[in-house]
Amino acid sequence: QVQLVQSGPEVKKPGASVRVSCKASGFTFIAYVIHWVRQAPGQSFEWLGWINAGSGNTRYSQKFQGRVSIIRDTSATTAYMEVRSLRSEDTAVYYCARVGTNDAFDIWGQGTMVTVSS
Amino acid sequence: EIVLTQSPGTLSLSPGERATLSCRASQSVFNNYFAWYQKRPGQAPRLLIYGTSSRATGIPDRFSGSGSGTDFTLTISRLEPEDFALYYCQQYGSSLQTFGGGTKVDIK
Repeated sequence: QVQLVQSGPEVKKPGASVRVSCKASGFTFIAYVIHWVRQAPGQSFEWLGWINAGSGNTRYSQKFQGRVSIIRDTSATTAYMEVRSLRSEDTAVYYCARVGTNDAFDIWGQGTMVTVSS
Repeated sequence: EIVLTQSPGTLSLSPGERATLSCRASQSVFNNYFAWYQKRPGQAPRLLIYGTSSRATGIPDRFSGSGSGTDFTLTISRLEPEDFALYYCQQYGSSLQTFGGGTKVDIK
């Protein structure tokens, strides 16, 4: 079964960092690009960045450049996204999504709720 | 950044009715790289339409997409009970992908 399974919910204090994992199964991980987006409560989606799981090349939204990092572990078929210097506005559900051959996000993870609160 | 504006914000319809959702882009979308997603509470988004008008795998043919340039439409020909949900448009033709604010289709 083609799927992306993300790690569980996180509660962090302002200034901390969080790392969310995205485990791929059912497809050839290194053949795809994995994107990360987030959805704050009551808001639409915001794109954070992507990683080419084969080459490891990354690209980030300018808004998050320097504060977000995306890496992958090919042996574990897992992508990871880290957000540093968390603030309350980073409270959101974070999703990983695979780019399919149609260039759109054809497979999504179930989402990871990250809550930033003092 | 390409801003996507979806309308209406909420669409109240009955099962069996036709739903027409619109999305307008602030500038032309490259190569019509435009998608629609369905979002139900507590679930991951589901790709419905890609490349403006192509249905994703397993999507029923009551869903159709159209448009070009800056104006795009998602049509649901006859609403089924499971279609009452949130719908988001997305452009992926630029290096900064963006999403619309969403249209909620709810039961009248």
